[in-house]
Amino acid sequence: QVQLVESGGGLVKPRGSLRLSCEASGLTFRDYYLSWIRQAPGKGLEWVSYISSSGRTIYYADSVKGRFTISRDNAKNSLYLQMNSLRAEDTAVYYCARVRPSEGGGFDIWGQGTMVTVSS
Amino acid sequence: NFMLTQPRSVSESPGKTVTISCTRSSGSIASNYVQWYQQRPGSSPTTVIYENNQRPSGVPDRFSGSIDSSSNSASLTISGLKTEDEADYYCQSYDSSNPVVFGGGTKLTVL
Repeated sequence: QVQLVESGGGLVKPRGSLRLSCEASGLTFRDYYLSWIRQAPGKGLEWVSYISSSGRTIYYADSVKGRFTISRDNAKNSLYLQMNSLRAEDTAVYYCARVRPSEGGGFDIWGQGTMVTVSS
Repeated sequence: NFMLTQPRSVSESPGKTVTISCTRSSGSIASNYVQWYQQRPGSSPTTVIYENNQRPSGVPDRFSGSIDSSSNSASLTISGLKTEDEADYYCQSYDSSNPVVFGGGTKLTVL
């Protein structure tokens, strides 16, 4: 079945960096847009970034623009999020999600999430 | 940027029907599709409604979605409530300037 598995989360100091990965299986990875979405403890969902199937089209939320970089390696069925200049408010569970391949978009497959904690 | 506003919480008894609203602050709710996600405690979100009123396979027909242009809002209705429906529900939409916008989420309590 289709599966997305995130990794790379952990504890990092403010102003530090972290790279998250999301490995996909059970799908033709190169055909799909993908996204990162985060959820701070006890809070709601916040979209972070998305990337087109080719990697040529990328969008970021204003809250992470200039600090985070999304990328993908279609040969490795993997999505990445490079996070630099981390702040306490970046503390969250980070989910990767597949964009539904339909006109309305949305996210039809989610990973289990990886926790990022930014604290000194 | 537009916002999607949901009630913080709703509660209803098993077997009853509940409706969760999602009001768009600017731009027409009918201009862009709305999705609804269910998130049970400790789990990842799953889609219960996409493209305003479409149910993914496996989602029971007790779940339905609609939009109302007069109130500029979308609604998720759950009928025949079960205790397993207790979860957080999020609406989500977009426009040409905002690729993804989530509502703040609604905690559904079935008691």
